[in-house]
Amino acid sequence: EDQVTQSPEALRLQEGESSSLNCSYTVSGLRGLFWYRQDPGKGPEFLFTLYSAGEEKEKERLKATLTKKESFLHITAPKPEDSATYLCAVGVYGGSQGNLIFGKGTKLSVKP
Amino acid sequence: NAGVTQTPKFQVLKTGQSMTLQCAQDMNHNSMYWYRQDPGMGLRLIYYSASEGTTDKGEVPNGYNVSRLNKREFSLRLESAAPSQTSVYFCASSRQGLEDTQYFGPGTRLTVL
Repeated sequence: EDQVTQSPEALRLQEGESSSLNCSYTVSGLRGLFWYRQDPGKGPEFLFTLYSAGEEKEKERLKATLTKKESFLHITAPKPEDSATYLCAVGVYGGSQGNLIFGKGTKLSVKP
Repeated sequence: NAGVTQTPKFQVLKTGQSMTLQCAQDMNHNSMYWYRQDPGMGLRLIYYSASEGTTDKGEVPNGYNVSRLNKREFSLRLESAAPSQTSVYFCASSRQGLEDTQYFGPGTRLTVL
């Protein structure tokens, strides 16, 4: 069965303290890996799509990387407004669970 | 552009009641999706519509029906609500079908008593 695991479940950082979130996956046919940000009471907001191992994408303080088995979301010098739940999703070909398999998310809290 | 919109934002039902969740997108996307999000679980696909006129079951379709009314609108119906359907429901859409990035609406929080 296709699986996506995110770690840690929760992460507390001080403002300016850089860290990384992990998304590991086991899928039969990868067609892309997606990162979303979700604020409380709102829908997921698209951040990045990665398609092949070695690919990297950046947006402000966020940088996403992809290997054959996992993806990292690096947060450099975070600010309180970066506090949110970050969701990883893996696109699969013909998956029985649907074409986009989501992890459970990492809840990030950044304290000033 | 409003993107993906959903109505209502909140709803409380009694067991056995029925209701329809509405979703519309103004991005001219071909594909639309319904997910549910429960505490401690990832988003799970209920139904999707790859293109206008087609619908398919996702991972958790039992107890739900859908209608792709036109290219813009995709509704989710609960015929006889159960407490297990208490959840937050999200609609999403993607441009070029199932392999494209999905964009989500703000969600509907449903409680079934």
